Amino acid sequence: GAGVSQTPSNKVTEKGKYVELRCDPISGHTALYWYRQSLGQGPEFLIYFQGTGAADDSGLPNDRFFAVRPEGSVSTLKIQRTERGDSAVYLCASGPWPGASIGYTFGSGTRLTVV
Amino acid sequence: GNSVTQMEGPVTLSEEAFLTINCTYTATGYPSLFWYVQYPGEGLQLLLKATKADDKGSNKGFEATYRKETTSFHLEKGSVQVSDSAVYFCALIISGGTSYGKLTFGQGTILTVHP
Repeated sequence: GAGVSQTPSNKVTEKGKYVELRCDPISGHTALYWYRQSLGQGPEFLIYFQGTGAADDSGLPNDRFFAVRPEGSVSTLKIQRTERGDSAVYLCASGPWPGASIGYTFGSGTRLTVV
Repeated sequence: GNSVTQMEGPVTLSEEAFLTINCTYTATGYPSLFWYVQYPGEGLQLLLKATKADDKGSNKGFEATYRKETTSFHLEKGSVQVSDSAVYFCALIISGGTSYGKLTFGQGTILTVHP
């Protein structure tokens, strides 16, 4: 598509529930990143995919967070047993290659609220 | 580790005023530097970039110069408009190694321009 698409745009869930957040990157972009942006903060890195594999998941806060990209295109961020502290905007970005000097294209994000 | 520090906000200016948003960084290796902008209700957009020392990035009347000696990348605009009201993020990427091209962001600076 023309840009990075993230769905849903908003998600409200109860504490303890499981959620999935979807990212559809720009066609042909092999590098895909997930970030988390808490209120009043800059985005923080969660995980990076090169193709189908997670090359760097050092930013995932704990084992409740997991992400996949089975066909090297769409990625899903999965959060188990959600906690109120997980409330944030989750951003996805894609690029033609890692460290692309042209910059990455970001989606509009999914605003997750855990109540 | 790598980090980016931006001047404290929010910044409030009158239309046609001069804008400076300070950004300094610490990095292991040789970073590329970026300014991203987030307009209300929209995703992050690349505003400008510089990939090596003394490079000047420019776009939409905004400029920033990569200063290695002061590890800075300050954003400037000579005459701001109401439409420039947004959140501005300074960021860096370290090329190569295990950085995998992930962006490290500052905390963001909110700019409000009044008519």
